[in-house]
Amino acid sequence: DGGITQSPKYLFRKEGQNVTLSCEQNLNHDAMYWYRQDPGQGLRLIYYSQIVNDFQKGDIAEGYSVSREKKESFPLTVTSAQKNPTAFYLCASSRDSGGYNEQFFGPGTRLTVL
Amino acid sequence: EDKVVQSPLSLVVHEGDTVTLNCSYEVTNFRSLLWYKQEKKAPTFLFMLTSSGIEKKSGRLSSILDKKELFSILNITATQTGDSAIYLCAVAPGDTGRRALTFGSGTRLQVQP
Repeated sequence: DGGITQSPKYLFRKEGQNVTLSCEQNLNHDAMYWYRQDPGQGLRLIYYSQIVNDFQKGDIAEGYSVSREKKESFPLTVTSAQKNPTAFYLCASSRDSGGYNEQFFGPGTRLTVL
Repeated sequence: EDKVVQSPLSLVVHEGDTVTLNCSYEVTNFRSLLWYKQEKKAPTFLFMLTSSGIEKKSGRLSSILDKKELFSILNITATQTGDSAIYLCAVAPGDTGRRALTFGSGTRLQVQP
């Protein structure tokens, strides 16, 4: 089955700890994205990558970091510099980053900082 | 800065009602507008609109784009409780600048039996 997987589903973190969220896709998509969703709000873009070994900051990149070493994988690290990390994190991919292809979303990771 | 505004933010209707959700946008380089439905976790794709005035339809859902007035509407007829969800509107860029979707804040629809 082709799709996007995210792990873990739920994640708890103590303040001051870094944590990495996994995102893998087997759709052979070039572009991948990370969004954050807070209760009652839409999706805000954290980082995106148009191609392997390349990525760009989105609207709320501060306190986050990413890597794109493989086409299939786009992990997101939430660092201790992120002041309010508790949120629902969604990963997405699309065939390319042009505007003619829809994005497919993973099931999300809910991060809670204790 | 690209901007997408959805209205209303929240809506409660009864089964069988017809609803219209609105999405207006301001973008420097428009390519397409997309609608997604988010029930519990992952948003699922509904429509992509690129041309003005051409209605896209899927069952009880339909959508249309007006590129002159910079808005789109999503209609749901004969609503069912299964239509309860957050409906997200997003705009996709052209070939230059930021190459990622810009989302609105969503409309939360609740359909009561």
